Amino acid sequence: EVQLLESGGGLVQPGEALRLSCVVSGLTFSRYAMSWVRQAPGKGLEWVSAIDGGGGVTTYYADSVKGRFSISRDNSKNALYLQMNSLSAEDTAIYFCAKDRSSLWFGELDSWGQGTLVTVSS
Amino acid sequence: SVLTQSPGTLSLSPGETATLSCRASQSIRSNYLAWYQQKPGQAPRLLIYAASIRATGIPDRVSGTGSGTDFTLTISRLEPEDFAMYFCQQYGGSRNTFGQGTKLEIK
Repeated sequence: EVQLLESGGGLVQPGEALRLSCVVSGLTFSRYAMSWVRQAPGKGLEWVSAIDGGGGVTTYYADSVKGRFSISRDNSKNALYLQMNSLSAEDTAIYFCAKDRSSLWFGELDSWGQGTLVTVSS
Repeated sequence: SVLTQSPGTLSLSPGETATLSCRASQSIRSNYLAWYQQKPGQAPRLLIYAASIRATGIPDRVSGTGSGTDFTLTISRLEPEDFAMYFCQQYGGSRNTFGQGTKLEIK
């Protein structure tokens, strides 16, 4: 059974930074592209960032986070990360990590974690 | 490209058929359109990808159709566990956006 477990969320002040983690089990993690998708309270889904798998290191970002967020992965630890800098209230959301069906980022997200809540407030 | 889902809320009874619409402002390349189900407090679940291919474990009473700019998710013989939010998503290349969702509620 594929499992994705996010951690690292919490309450931070505007302008601060936070690092999210997602540990994946039940599959060969390195083979697959991975994404972060967020959902503001009571709102819809917004894709945030993705990183290729299969040995690739290409990263992708939504315009809303480009230059502030950085995605990375450690295949030896089956872990995905999202470094979030210069946070603002608009970044308040549940952050989900999700697995792509492909090794290269495509967007067919067939497994998801339960999410971790990030709240940005003074 | 913007995805617009309709209706915003759909009220039906168990056993009925739900028809959910997703319309794109620009034609979606190669029908790269997915549907997800999300229940309160849970993560989204992939139902359909490439407009019409059911994801693993999705029953055949769930089907997706459409091409270009108009796509439909149909759920036949509604069961209590089907009542949830549904999101469509376009993907592939630089496009990766979701619709605003349709809430399927029990009438």
